Amino acid sequence: DQQVKQNSPSLSVQEGRISILNCDYTNSMFDYFLWYKKYPAEGPTFLISISSIKDKNEDGRFTVFLNKSAKHLSLHIVPSQPGDSAVYFCAASAVGGTYKYIFGTGTRLKVLA
Amino acid sequence: GAVVSQHPSRVICKSGTSVKIECRSLDFQATTMFWYRQFPKQSLMLMATSNEGSKATYEQGVEKDKFLINHASLTLSTLTVTSAHPEDSSFYICSAAGGVNTDTQYFGPGTRLTVL
Repeated sequence: DQQVKQNSPSLSVQEGRISILNCDYTNSMFDYFLWYKKYPAEGPTFLISISSIKDKNEDGRFTVFLNKSAKHLSLHIVPSQPGDSAVYFCAASAVGGTYKYIFGTGTRLKVLA
Repeated sequence: GAVVSQHPSRVICKSGTSVKIECRSLDFQATTMFWYRQFPKQSLMLMATSNEGSKATYEQGVEKDKFLINHASLTLSTLTVTSAHPEDSSFYICSAAGGVNTDTQYFGPGTRLTVL
């Protein structure tokens, strides 16, 4: 049972435009969500997180939105840059990040110059 | 801050041998460390969670006698793949929690294991 899903395996966006990556989850106990960026043969790099008490968190070009009723979160990257091309994983956790994360399957973002 | 290193980055070994992978938190004390495995084009699968000074908690389906985890200090955890077989070939990644943002896991760069 895939508790965290990223239904789009890939996404292509023009440089300068907005990239929107989506993530859905099924476990209502999840209360902490994160987005990681990953290049091949490297470990994931933390991008941004959000707790369930918020519906939006922003950090520079990255904004994460959380819709608890829909069990959906999204990552917006504005403006998209070629260096953003990577695989993006969302992760969910219950009761804080020191508990285990459940990762989505990833979305490969390609930003076209 | 929140830098995690792994060593080695790549290892090739013969079937039947054991391989040790080290994970270190370089600039913070990691109360908890995690070991993941990633197959090509798939997600990260948690193998086990370890807390300093206590036994690791393994996920269902992960053989604890095959994947030995030691978390001897707040900055070091090791994963030993014992009697490795070709099906153990994978990308192993560790993460550590307890940095500036205690709710966030910071990942190492990963170790590519190839068993011949």
